[in-house]
Amino acid sequence: SQQGEEDPQALSIQEGENATMNCSYKTSINNLQWYRQNSGRGLVHLILIRSNEREKHSGRLRVTLDTSKKSSSLLITASRAADTASYFCATVATTDSWGKLQFGAGTQVVVTP
Amino acid sequence: NAGVTQTPKFQVLKTGQSMTLQCAQDMNHNSMYWYRQDPGMGLRLIYYSASEGTTDKGEVPNGYNVSRLNKREFSLRLESAAPSQTSVYFCASMRGGLYEQYFGPGTRLTVT
Repeated sequence: SQQGEEDPQALSIQEGENATMNCSYKTSINNLQWYRQNSGRGLVHLILIRSNEREKHSGRLRVTLDTSKKSSSLLITASRAADTASYFCATVATTDSWGKLQFGAGTQVVVTP
Repeated sequence: NAGVTQTPKFQVLKTGQSMTLQCAQDMNHNSMYWYRQDPGMGLRLIYYSASEGTTDKGEVPNGYNVSRLNKREFSLRLESAAPSQTSVYFCASMRGGLYEQYFGPGTRLTVT
């Protein structure tokens, strides 16, 4: 079973616009991570936010975490065509000591020039 | 640094055949993982190895076996392939603690 649900499933925007995607999860977490997957490639880690953090930034990425609502959002500002990819949230449960990730189904983002 | 490497990149098997997927990492990471990804879904954990010499089941272990050969290598074996095992398989590693994982490029497996 999937731990997380991403919303929307697909997103189409133009270059320069912001892209926002959301992730909801079910159990208490130690941390939540966002990964990017370009078509036909492996996953690349973008950002990790711990359960005691509420917001984190990395370059054009901004992640928020609301543990009371069991939800997170990923904002990509000033999107570029190279941001076209699938984005996945993944959680590590508080009961887990071995870093096992539970993934959502992902958001497909298409950025058109 | 090659990071995480996987072989082969593509494989076609007939039902009932066996094969081993190879994974190696050169980052001196303690933990290694095997996931599968099916269309329209996120990744699901098959097996993991928290440290050299240990392996444990993940969410979908049926039909698979693993070997942590040494700290660098973690292989996944399909003893008798079934069409339901058609998927993309990813290996990942993590240095330890609860940090980010580094993924290989994947193996696309088709079982006919």
